[in-house]
Amino acid sequence: AQSVTQPDIHITVSEGASLELRCNYSYGATPYLFWYVQSPGQGLQLLLKYFSGDTLVQGIKGFEAEFKRSQSSFNLRKPSVHWSDAAEYFCAVGAQEYGNKLVFGAGTILRVKS
Amino acid sequence: DAMVIQNPRYQVTQFGKPVTLSCSQTLNHNVMYWYQQKSSQAPKLLFHYYDKDFNNEADTPDNFQSRRPNTSFCFLDIRSPGLGDAAMYLCATSRDRRVGEQFFGPGTRLTVL
Repeated sequence: AQSVTQPDIHITVSEGASLELRCNYSYGATPYLFWYVQSPGQGLQLLLKYFSGDTLVQGIKGFEAEFKRSQSSFNLRKPSVHWSDAAEYFCAVGAQEYGNKLVFGAGTILRVKS
Repeated sequence: DAMVIQNPRYQVTQFGKPVTLSCSQTLNHNVMYWYQQKSSQAPKLLFHYYDKDFNNEADTPDNFQSRRPNTSFCFLDIRSPGLGDAAMYLCATSRDRRVGEQFFGPGTRLTVL
């Protein structure tokens, strides 16, 4: 079965600073990887996804993520954080053999200080 | 805009009093999911419908049931809510069973008194 680890429960960055949120997955074959963002009291919104091809994927709101098979990682990055990016970020993994059932990491809460 | 709608956004119920949460979608997706998300935790899949085919997760308590009367609507019934069932309940949809994006509704926050 697949699993996802987000090692950082909370991260605080200054507005304008760069951001990297870590995600490690466990799955034998090539996984399907997602990053979702959740603002307080809201549902989840897809930021970006990786299925195959170019290992650097671009998403919405200026986010990007890089798939590194050798490290089983799919870290999310943003070069300059805005105060509106404060939210909780979830990495998720899917696998075709499990249909479209996603397994989510525990999430990373991002705080942005001005 | 095509979307996933959940009603109500906030629901308060009493211990043991049945409650129903509603989800509707205008995306015409075949698959609908219900997740439970407790505070500061990852969403946990309860069950999903592929068209009319119901798929329960092995660890979903019997207290939780679901109905999907048509493509657009899906309901989550909690027969006898306990204090431990207080959570955010998220509905999501996807086009089909192949791995792809799931589209989430805004959620229903359930409080059990």
